[in-house]
Amino acid sequence: EVQLVESGGGLVQPGGSLRLSCAASGFTFSTYWMSWVRQAPGKGLEWVANIKQDGSEKYYVDSVKGRFTISRDNAKNSLYLQMSSLRAEDTALYYCARDRALYCGGGTCYFSFDYWGQGTLVTVSS
Amino acid sequence: DIQMTQSPSSLSASVGDRVTITCRASQSISRYLNWYQQKPGKAPKLLIYAASSLQSGVPSRFSGSGSGTDFTLTINSLQPEDFATYYCQQSYSTPRTFGQGTKLEIK
Repeated sequence: EVQLVESGGGLVQPGGSLRLSCAASGFTFSTYWMSWVRQAPGKGLEWVANIKQDGSEKYYVDSVKGRFTISRDNAKNSLYLQMSSLRAEDTALYYCARDRALYCGGGTCYFSFDYWGQGTLVTVSS
Repeated sequence: DIQMTQSPSSLSASVGDRVTITCRASQSISRYLNWYQQKPGKAPKLLIYAASSLQSGVPSRFSGSGSGTDFTLTINSLQPEDFATYYCQQSYSTPRTFGQGTKLEIK
């Protein structure tokens, strides 16, 4: 059974830092792209970042570029999100999601988030 | 960035009804479109990928269609467990963007 379990959320002051973790099990972690997706309280979903299987490619939404860093440790089946210079608008439930690629051809694939964790809440407030 | 716009934002329907939710992309995204269902306090669940492919384990009353800029999610014969919020999401380009959501409520 595929499981994704996030941890590391909490209350942090504006300008502070936090590191989120996602422990993966039930699948071959090293063969999948992985993403972080967040949801502000009462709001919709926002993709934050993703990382290729070997960590060689990383992409971010503009609002977190230069402040957040996505990484992974395939030996530990773990995904991370290092967040710094946190702002009130970063307050959200952060989900770890498996980024599945299907029907790959011509250098492109159909990606979808096929498994999600339960989320970890990050609150940025003084 | 590609903007995804869903309509309606909310919808009231009864058990047994057929409902359709629309998603429009700000530019052509071919068939790089996914649909998710989210219930209160729960993580989103993948329903449809590549515009019309049903995710494993998802009931066949859910279907998706469309290509280019216009897409639809149809739910036939609504069941009580279908009342939730639905999101479309494009995977054509980064950043991956979601629609604002459609809340499906019981009439």
